Amino acid sequence: DGGITQSPKYLFRKEGQNVTLSCEQNLNHDAMYWYRQDPGQGLRLIYYSQIVNDFQKGDIAEGYSVSREKKESFPLTVTSAQKNPTAFYLCASSIYGTDNYGYTFGSGTRLTVV
Amino acid sequence: GQSLEQPSEVTAVEGAIVQINCTYQTSGFYGLSWYQQHDGGAPTFLSYNGLDGLEETGRFSSFLSRSDSYGYLLLQELQMKDSASYFCAVSNSGYSTLTFGKGTMLLVSP
Repeated sequence: DGGITQSPKYLFRKEGQNVTLSCEQNLNHDAMYWYRQDPGQGLRLIYYSQIVNDFQKGDIAEGYSVSREKKESFPLTVTSAQKNPTAFYLCASSIYGTDNYGYTFGSGTRLTVV
Repeated sequence: GQSLEQPSEVTAVEGAIVQINCTYQTSGFYGLSWYQQHDGGAPTFLSYNGLDGLEETGRFSSFLSRSDSYGYLLLQELQMKDSASYFCAVSNSGYSTLTFGKGTMLLVSP
């Protein structure tokens, strides 16, 4: 079955460490996205990519980095420059150029700074 | 910029009908989408309105009025499993990203 896989489900980071969140999809979607969700908040866009080897900053890109070397993969690195990284991180993918079919989301990674 | 307003919480009983409203302000508008998220889970796509009017999918319906910058999600024959957060989201083109509202928590009681 097609879908999006995020790993790990839970991640603990020490202050000053970089961590990388994995996101893999086998839906053959061109577009992929990273959103951050804080308690009681909506989803805020961190980065997105509409094609391999290209990506764009979202609304809250500071302290994060991404790569898109393969169509199936869009890893997110939370750097030490991100001042408040504790949050629920959601990866999504979609067919580029239409909203009719919506985004497909992964199950998320819950990151906690210890 | 874009902003969306939706109620933070709505309560209802099993079997009832509930409407979750969403108003938006955007620099450009292409369509309104709705997503459901159970606690700690992945958001799932429910519906999309690109044109004015009502779209029906089983027990769920979604409405859009572009002139009023307003839409709603209507849930009928509520079930306990419908207890979840519901997010509206707008895009300003088919090639843009989605901007989400803060979500409405729906609590369904017996």
